[in-house]
Amino acid sequence: SQTIHQWPATLVQPVGSPLSLECTVEGTSNPNLYWYRQAAGRGLQLLFYSVGIGQISSEVPQNLSASRPQDRQFILSSKKLLLSDSGFYLCAWSGVARETQYFGPGTRLLVL
Amino acid sequence: KNEVEQSPQNLTAQEGEFITINCSYSVGISALHWLQQHPGGGIVSLFMLSSGKKKHGRLIATINIQEKHSSLHITASHPRDSAVYICAVAGNQFYFGTGTSLTVIP
Repeated sequence: SQTIHQWPATLVQPVGSPLSLECTVEGTSNPNLYWYRQAAGRGLQLLFYSVGIGQISSEVPQNLSASRPQDRQFILSSKKLLLSDSGFYLCAWSGVARETQYFGPGTRLLVL
Repeated sequence: KNEVEQSPQNLTAQEGEFITINCSYSVGISALHWLQQHPGGGIVSLFMLSSGKKKHGRLIATINIQEKHSSLHITASHPRDSAVYICAVAGNQFYFGTGTSLTVIP
């Protein structure tokens, strides 16, 4: 069966510090991978998606970047965090047909 | 305008009540999903629909493709149903509603 992991589960970082959130998927090959952010009281916002190694599409201009160094690994990064980067970050995967997405447990980020 | 609109945004019900959450969308889709987000943040998929109606326990989901509308019903609601329910559609990408926060009071 397929599983999706995210870490860390929670993170408190000072403004201006770097960020690296990792997402890995098991049990499937060549998944589509997604990073979402959910700000307090708001819906899910698609940040990045990837259809393959090294292929990243950005949906929203922001302070963040994403990389996919391996088929089942998706990394969300920032060189300098802003207060507005606080939120709940969710990684998800889907098959090529993109009909169903499966979500990771999420990382709660608080930037102080 | 959002591609997916949900109503209501917040809903409080007494235990045992019948609950309906609505979702309207404006894009072409291959499937519509109802997701449940627990207070801790984890998201689970409840239904994937492309036509008609699906039932799972006390949950029923319907979709009208012509009207671009879906409803999620909960019969005999229970406090453990308290969560945020999110409508999502799969078109050329995934679009999400902002969610309906449901609280069921004992």
